[in-house]
Amino acid sequence: NAGVTQTPKFRVLKTGQSMTLLCAQDMNHEYMYWYRQDPGMGLRLIHYSVGEGTTAKGEVPDGYNVSRLKKQNFLLGLESAAPSQTSVYFCASSYFSGGTEAFFGQGTRLTVV
Amino acid sequence: QQQVKQSPQSLIVQKGGISIINCAYENTAFDYFPWYQQFPGKGPALLIAIRPDVSEKKEGRFTISFNKSAKQFSLHIMDSQPGDSATYFCAASVTGAGSYQLTFGKGTKLSVIP
Repeated sequence: NAGVTQTPKFRVLKTGQSMTLLCAQDMNHEYMYWYRQDPGMGLRLIHYSVGEGTTAKGEVPDGYNVSRLKKQNFLLGLESAAPSQTSVYFCASSYFSGGTEAFFGQGTRLTVV
Repeated sequence: QQQVKQSPQSLIVQKGGISIINCAYENTAFDYFPWYQQFPGKGPALLIAIRPDVSEKKEGRFTISFNKSAKQFSLHIMDSQPGDSATYFCAASVTGAGSYQLTFGKGTKLSVIP
């Protein structure tokens, strides 16, 4: 039982490049979330999904897009990376609403130069 | 506007001592209050959580105390061990239909020294 798996674990991008972060969960959770973690800022919600085919904006959505074509996968895209998007990105999933008993992945460390 | 304020930012405790981390919230609609533990290079892991209908919840050496009237909750780690050294995040959410966001505090870095 893998839980929440994020791919890749590390990535370095040049400004203006694009990339997609993949999150996969095997717990049949309806709710999935993308957070970013910056020093001294805690975790801030980027986008979330309440089920297959649905997505919604969180606290800091600008510069990101998401898709949830399959229940088990939640993709986070950066169309034109900026240095301000240098961060550690965490995916999470939960069975219940409100992030109740949310499980987090191991994170993706992204550096934009 | 920060809805969950966490203190202190960092904490150093002797082995065997009690670690106390405090959080205060503003939104009275919050009805779920978890604490997450994060080790370096790892994702946050759920440690313990409480609902506002109880004032205290204990799991092993970890206890959440909840004060609804003061809009505060705290994590107590009894008999702190070096293995407890990690960053701790409090969070809060509204769990009813139509609300999905966990709002996190900024974290407390705990160091337990032998």
